[in-house]
Amino acid sequence: AQSVTQLDSQVPVFEEAPVELRCNYSSSVSVYLFWYVQYPNQGLQLLLKYLSGSTLVKGINGFEAEFNKSQTSFHLRKPSVHISDTAEYFCAVSALGGYQKVTFGIGTKLQVIP
Amino acid sequence: DADVTQTPRNRITKTGKRIMLECSQTKGHDRMYWYRQDPGLGLRLIYYSFDVKDINKGEISDGYSVSRQAQAKFSLSLESAIPNQTALYFCATSDFMGSETQYFGPGTRLLVL
Repeated sequence: AQSVTQLDSQVPVFEEAPVELRCNYSSSVSVYLFWYVQYPNQGLQLLLKYLSGSTLVKGINGFEAEFNKSQTSFHLRKPSVHISDTAEYFCAVSALGGYQKVTFGIGTKLQVIP
Repeated sequence: DADVTQTPRNRITKTGKRIMLECSQTKGHDRMYWYRQDPGLGLRLIYYSFDVKDINKGEISDGYSVSRQAQAKFSLSLESAIPNQTALYFCATSDFMGSETQYFGPGTRLLVL
């Protein structure tokens, strides 16, 4: 079984400041890792994903995440946030091989302050 | 046009009523899912289907049933709605190519009185 922990339920940050949203996972096997974003009144959409290869993954809208196997983390970062980044962000994990259920974290609400 | 559509987008119903939420997709994916989202709990999987003949329970299937009418259509039913089922419901699809990226509909907001 796998699990995901998003350590912060809410993160307020001033516009143009950097931000890091934290995600830790637990799994006994190798995993795929995802970050999804949910804008107000919308469904989730993929921001970025790690499948294999380079541990630094770049996604849409200037976001990036780094896979750290030893720390079982997949933190999301952006060097300078915009008002339009205000949304809820979900980290997710699925194990490799065949069908493996995707497990979502509880979400982190990013509030960008003008 | 959206790749994954859900109807209705909002619904208010009373305790004990039967209600159906519908999902359609034009992505040609075999896999479809139903999730519910509750504040502080994230997304929880209700049911999933790998193809028309394959239906599987998720982690919170009690009180729900599903029907996969075609590759493109996957419906969720609440046989006898209760207030505890008030939530935001999402349909999603995926095409397993080794990555399990999921594509979500816009959601249905359900209120059970």
